[in-house]
Amino acid sequence: QKEVEQNSGPLSVPEGAIASLNCTYSDRGSQSFFWYRQYSGKSPELIMFIYSNGDKEDGRFTAQLNKASQYVSLLIRDSQPSDSATYLCAVSKGSQGNLIFGKGTKLSVKP
Amino acid sequence: SQTIHQWPATLVQPVGSPLSLECTVEGTSNPNLYWYRQAAGRGLQLLFYSVGIGQISSEVPQNLSASRPQDRQFILSSKKLLLSDSGFYLCAGGGQGNTGELFFGEGSRLTVL
Repeated sequence: QKEVEQNSGPLSVPEGAIASLNCTYSDRGSQSFFWYRQYSGKSPELIMFIYSNGDKEDGRFTAQLNKASQYVSLLIRDSQPSDSATYLCAVSKGSQGNLIFGKGTKLSVKP
Repeated sequence: SQTIHQWPATLVQPVGSPLSLECTVEGTSNPNLYWYRQAAGRGLQLLFYSVGIGQISSEVPQNLSASRPQDRQFILSSKKLLLSDSGFYLCAGGGQGNTGELFFGEGSRLTVL
């Protein structure tokens, strides 16, 4: 079983819609969860992190964590063409734990 | 916040040639530092990490090596490149504290021919 799994996509949504990106992880000891955005040919940039069950909102982005189901998601409201990128989910075991990345989901927002 | 600098940004090397990628960090001291590789169509693979000068942990056995000669300097090397070494190499810093997020450099794209 892969440690961090994501649907590779591409996920295509129309401009203005909500994009929903999902991630599952295998290690129940995982404590911190991250979402990165990576534009083609560029390095990943951190969007959000979450480590408590529930929702965390930051502007148009909402991260959701369910540790019992080992599931993390990212919602992007009012999707824009500039949101088109690959979204990477990453998981770590704690403050000194190394991040394990999923392969990413490619999002395409159509004007 | 910390800033990660990497160079060179791109390079094309023949099989069997040596490699040296350099990474420096600004804005923090005693950072954890990481080298990741991202091959085409694949996820980020952790290659090495370092928690201090001279301290290197290898995650994947291969023909690459890493060194940390100074607190804010992290170097990825190879004596003889293989075709399979092609990829996008990313240096990252962070991984500490309550949040543990990583900040990435601009990346170095290596093509081995």
